[in-house]
Amino acid sequence: DAMVIQNPRYQVTQFGKPVTLSCSQTLNHNVMYWYQQKSSQAPKLLFHYYDKDFNNEADTPDNFQSRRPNTSFCFLDIRSPGLGDAAMYLCATSRDGAENEQFFGPGTRLTVL
Amino acid sequence: DAKTTQPTSMDCAEGRAANLPCNHSTISGNEYVYWYRQIHSQGPQYIIHGLKNNETNEMASLIITEDRKSSTLILPHATLRDTAVYYCIVITSGTYKYIFGTGTRLKVLA
Repeated sequence: DAMVIQNPRYQVTQFGKPVTLSCSQTLNHNVMYWYQQKSSQAPKLLFHYYDKDFNNEADTPDNFQSRRPNTSFCFLDIRSPGLGDAAMYLCATSRDGAENEQFFGPGTRLTVL
Repeated sequence: DAKTTQPTSMDCAEGRAANLPCNHSTISGNEYVYWYRQIHSQGPQYIIHGLKNNETNEMASLIITEDRKSSTLILPHATLRDTAVYYCIVITSGTYKYIFGTGTRLKVLA
C-alpha cells in the first residue's frame, strides 16, 4: 500500500547531540511537511517543501533544519537538541492544492536525555 | 492562531451517532474545512473535507451551514475504536498550512 513511512519510530538522543529523523513516501506527492507535537498539544507545522522549494514557518527555531534530496525522502535535522525538543515529530505529504488532503506518517517520538 | 473553535470533550454511546461541532466564523469563500482524527500516539488520520456542500464518505458525513460559519462532523454509528481527538481545520486555497486547534476529545462509551 502507498504510504508515509517514518524511521525510527522512537529515537533517544542526548542533550546537544545532533539527531536526524527520516520520512519517506510512496505516494509520489510533491508537498512534504514536518510537524512537531508536544505532549497533550496539537501538531504544529515546522516547515514544508513544495517540490524542492523549502518553506520555513516564522517561529520555527534555527535549531531545526530539513533536507529533501528527492521526491520520496525528507529529513528533519535537529542540530543541538534541548530538553524542550522532546516531542512527536510527524511527517505528512500531499498533492498540490488545498483541496487535497495531507497523509500523515505514524510519527517519531524523540526523547532527549 | 487556529481559525476554528471546538468543544474540548464529548462523550457518545457506542452505536449512536456522534455529532462533533466546529465553529469557523471567519472563514473565507476559498477556504476548505477539513476533519482529521488522532488516536493516541498515532499520526492524524484524514476523515473528510468540504468547501460549500455537504459531503459524505465511508467514514463520516460533513454538514456545512449555509453561511459556512460552522460545520458538524457526523460519525453515524460510533464504535469504541472511534475514541480519539478530532480536529477541525480551515485551510486557504493556495496555501499548505494546517493550523490545528485544540480539537475535541471524543470518548465512545460501551
